[in-house]
Amino acid sequence: EPEVTQTPSHQVTQMGQEVILRCVPISNHLYFYWYRQILGQKVEFLVSFYNNEISEKSEIFDDQFSVERPDGSNFTLKIRSTKLEDSAMYFCASSTTPLINTIYFGEGSWLTVV
Amino acid sequence: GIQVEQSPPDLILQEGANSTLRCNFSDSVNNLQWFHQNPWGQLINLFYIPSGTKQNGRLSATTVATERYSLLYISSSQTTDSGVYFCAVAQKLVFGQGTRLTINP
Repeated sequence: EPEVTQTPSHQVTQMGQEVILRCVPISNHLYFYWYRQILGQKVEFLVSFYNNEISEKSEIFDDQFSVERPDGSNFTLKIRSTKLEDSAMYFCASSTTPLINTIYFGEGSWLTVV
Repeated sequence: GIQVEQSPPDLILQEGANSTLRCNFSDSVNNLQWFHQNPWGQLINLFYIPSGTKQNGRLSATTVATERYSLLYISSSQTTDSGVYFCAVAQKLVFGQGTRLTINP
């Protein structure tokens, strides 16, 4: 069974620090996504990425956030100057097509900002 | 933007019972998916079902696109079915608030 892998599984960071969350999408997938889930709330779309550029982003994905595919396998989410309200589970996902019916989610990275 | 409402918010059942979860959405969509988030937080893709009916073992789903709702049926519930069930619609996946299902032994 192919899987999306995320690291770290849990990170605690001081407010104001920068965080990089890493993801290894499934190898033949071309579309990549980040979602966020604040504890007890619904999953929210952050950004989609295709062909080395952002294809869509939500209102949440402001200048504090950036994404990058630094090599052929990794897909990263950088959060600059973290705030308490950035504490959440961050999910990476990938799919073979833009129709998302083939989407697979990683197990998530739980970020705690203190 | 599109709104997604799920009901009921919480459901507690005994093992072996059947359940129906509902998802209403506010606009026409060409994509609807059901996910199960297990107690460890992992999101599992259950069904891609923009219209029609699909079945996978004890789970089945029906989407009536013209009336903007989808139903997820779970039969003969097991404790491993516990977790939160989300429906999500549209290209970027707009999620509902989920239904928290608890199956007691």
